[in-house]
Amino acid sequence: RKEVEQDPGPFNVPEGATVAFNCTYSNSASQSFFWYRQDCRKEPKLLMSVYSSGNEDGRFTAQLNRASQYISLLIRDSKLSDSATYLCVVNAPSGTYKYIFGTGTRLKVLA
Amino acid sequence: EPEVTQTPSHQVTQMGQEVILRCVPISNHLYFYWYRQILGQKVEFLVSFYNNEISEKSEIFDDQFSVERPDGSNFTLKIRSTKLEDSAMYFCAGGGSGIDTGELFFGEGSRLTVL
Repeated sequence: RKEVEQDPGPFNVPEGATVAFNCTYSNSASQSFFWYRQDCRKEPKLLMSVYSSGNEDGRFTAQLNRASQYISLLIRDSKLSDSATYLCVVNAPSGTYKYIFGTGTRLKVLA
Repeated sequence: EPEVTQTPSHQVTQMGQEVILRCVPISNHLYFYWYRQILGQKVEFLVSFYNNEISEKSEIFDDQFSVERPDGSNFTLKIRSTKLEDSAMYFCAGGGSGIDTGELFFGEGSRLTVL
């Protein structure tokens, strides 16, 4: 099983749609979880951290299911500017701040 | 807002040549990283650096690679004898400051093309 696994997509959705991405991780001892956004040929940027209780930031909602070892990201009311690759990132619990990236899920929001 | 800066933005080199990629991390960060991303593939961990030494490295980070933080500001990645498969975007990142959210701050990357 890959350390961090995501459906690569692409997800093509119309503007205004709700879209959800999932990510699974293999190491049950992982403690920190994040969603990053990466635009084409740019550096990854933090979208949001994922907390055990779930958290929301505007149109974005992140959930963590430790029992099943998956993380989700929900985007409501998609905008054209949401088109990007969404990277699931999990820390490797090795006593350092090592972060493992998933392959990313490509989202294209269509007008 | 402080940022991570990387140079060069793009380097073209011949196979077998040595390459040094440079990074100036955000000053209050404690952990520094190099990641690479081959075109169309995922962001891969290479090495983490803490307290002036390597804290962890991946299997990709073999004897051809080395890192240094010689003067307390610059953080460099050296590839001793480049191979074609080293062509990738190399990202420097930093994190772990006093106000720790676990966020990694990335530079804009150095694109390496090995011919």
